[in-house]
Amino acid sequence: DAGVTQSPTHLIKTRGQQVTLRCSPISGHKSVSWYQQVLGQGPQFIFQYYEKEERGRGNFPDRFSARQFPNYSSELNVNALLLGDSALYLCASSFTQGFAEAFFGQGTRLTVV
Amino acid sequence: EDKVVQSPLSLVVHEGDTVTLNCSYEVTNFRSLLWYKQEKKAPTFLFMLTSSGIEKKSGRLSSILDKKELFSILNITATQTGDSAIYLCAVVWNNDMRFGAGTRLTVKP
Repeated sequence: DAGVTQSPTHLIKTRGQQVTLRCSPISGHKSVSWYQQVLGQGPQFIFQYYEKEERGRGNFPDRFSARQFPNYSSELNVNALLLGDSALYLCASSFTQGFAEAFFGQGTRLTVV
Repeated sequence: EDKVVQSPLSLVVHEGDTVTLNCSYEVTNFRSLLWYKQEKKAPTFLFMLTSSGIEKKSGRLSSILDKKELFSILNITATQTGDSAIYLCAVVWNNDMRFGAGTRLTVKP
């Protein structure tokens, strides 16, 4: 079985641009969560979706948005990129709602220049 | 303010040593505490703890939670070079989750 897959693996964007990151959960998993990990820090929770509905949101500005599709894959959108948005963006999936035993993807490394 | 603090921030040991990693937290409406190992990018799940005093074990790794004193420890016995990684603690409350900054463990041959 494939694990959590994220695309793209690396991305370079210019300040002010918009970016869309994609995540495919493990087959059968209905929950997807997004995290931002800045170098030297632990991941920060951004969103959680379960059954296509937002079930949790971290302390991030409205420039960050996400959605979950009927096949449980998910997209994270970030508008009006800032230099400080440069980070590793991690997606995790789990079978149930909540954060128990989540499986992480390899992440998307976003660099904003 | 809700927070999760891990200590030490980094640790260097030799193969065979035993290490104890600490995670303390201050959150309202605590639900669970999770430990992850991050070697390159994707953190891998180690343990989920919800009840005080019940030790969870997996091979040379074990963990326990103290909900009265608001901390958890992760023990690794007979360390190996493959244990070198960042160990992350995360606390879940309501519909939010917060990670600590992690402990970087280096195991030397």
